Amino acid sequence: LAKTTQPISMDSYEGQEVNITCSHNNIATNDYITWYQQFPSQGPRFIIQGYKTKVTNEVASLFIPADRKSSTLSLPRVSLSDTAVYYCLVGDLGNTGFQKLVFGTGTRLLVSP
Amino acid sequence: DAGVIQSPRHEVTEMGQEVTLRCKPISGHNSLFWYRQTMMRGLELLIYFNNNVPIDDSGMPEDRFSAKMPNASFSTLKIQPSEPRDSAVYFCASSFRQGITGNTIYFGEGSWLTVV
Repeated sequence: LAKTTQPISMDSYEGQEVNITCSHNNIATNDYITWYQQFPSQGPRFIIQGYKTKVTNEVASLFIPADRKSSTLSLPRVSLSDTAVYYCLVGDLGNTGFQKLVFGTGTRLLVSP
Repeated sequence: DAGVIQSPRHEVTEMGQEVTLRCKPISGHNSLFWYRQTMMRGLELLIYFNNNVPIDDSGMPEDRFSAKMPNASFSTLKIQPSEPRDSAVYFCASSFRQGITGNTIYFGEGSWLTVV
């Protein structure tokens, strides 16, 4: 399984764009990159998933360079409610039939007024 | 969709007692996961099932822990006997593989276990 490395914590202010980068140097050909968000006292929640280039949804954007050894989660104009822990995961979710996602330590984002 | 349903939401038990955590995955999902979360160790995968069959239980801490999935709509995680170090939040999650486009894992709200 590809190991991921991301910053332990980040601070931001309301209205700013936040970019959280995750390193996954040994990502395999069949691996997808997935980001989850976890609020206190809740289970992790899916944010976005991608394989290459750029993916955008109503919540965030995910930028993946051509070598796929890293990825960046971009949260536009964060609000106080975006304060949470963000996890980057890499795993084969497709053709093997089975998947096993291992969560790293995550990035604790604190958004201040 | 009701989401992944876990019970109990909170449990306080005495050391040595048996603890059974229950999970109902999202209908139609074919994979089920049990995770444990603590401040010290973060979110750990304990075991996962595919089509009701345990695929990988390498994360189960020791023989005191056991998990079953008798059918597609129900799973249990049992701790017997429980110890204070088992105190944690236990999450159940489920997913359905959607071919080559990948899939997502949906988590329940967790079962908060305190062993005193």
